[in-house]
Amino acid sequence: GAGVSQSPSNKVTEKGKDVELRCDPISGHTALYWYRQRLGQGLEFLIYFQGNSAPDKSGLPSDRFSAERTGESVSTLTIQRTQQEDSAVYLCASSAGYTFGSGTRLTVV
Amino acid sequence: GEDVEQSLFLSVREGDSSVINCTYTDSSSTYLYWYKQEPGAGLQLLTYIFSNMDMKQDQRLTVLLNKKDKHLSLRIADTQTGDSAIYFCAEKGGATNKLIFGTGTLLAVQP
Repeated sequence: GAGVSQSPSNKVTEKGKDVELRCDPISGHTALYWYRQRLGQGLEFLIYFQGNSAPDKSGLPSDRFSAERTGESVSTLTIQRTQQEDSAVYLCASSAGYTFGSGTRLTVV
Repeated sequence: GEDVEQSLFLSVREGDSSVINCTYTDSSSTYLYWYKQEPGAGLQLLTYIFSNMDMKQDQRLTVLLNKKDKHLSLRIADTQTGDSAIYFCAEKGGATNKLIFGTGTLLAVQP
């Protein structure tokens, strides 16, 4: 597609539920990144995929967080047993030039 | 570890120049980036500079890099009210491909 597409744009979930966030990267971009932005703060790196290499998961804050990507296609970020501190905007970026999607705003109530 | 710092707030008058500063710690940084984030919107890549350059100009934007002091700045000439936003600098380390972001500088442009 023309840009990085993320869905849903907004998600409100109850504490303890699982959520799945989706990122459609720019076609042909081999690298894909997930970041988290808490209110009023900068971006925290979560995970990075490069082609078929093992992902860099060094930024995932806990084992409740996981992400998958098959080849150079769509990626999903899953948060299990959501907590209120997971509330943030989750941003996906696609190489090259680190083009960001508009994010998914997650609110855990 | 890697760290990127920015001042939190800058206020300028319309028509003046704005200079937003950023310092970083990773001496092996390969690329440094400036992003703009308007209220409720995503991140827009404004410009970037390769670490072996010391200046890059793109229309109203001038990026200066002092690699020795690990200092990056973004100058916006003839600042307009539409430039009001949060500006993030980010560095791409030499050892990894991830971007490390600063906390952002809120630029407020007064008419």
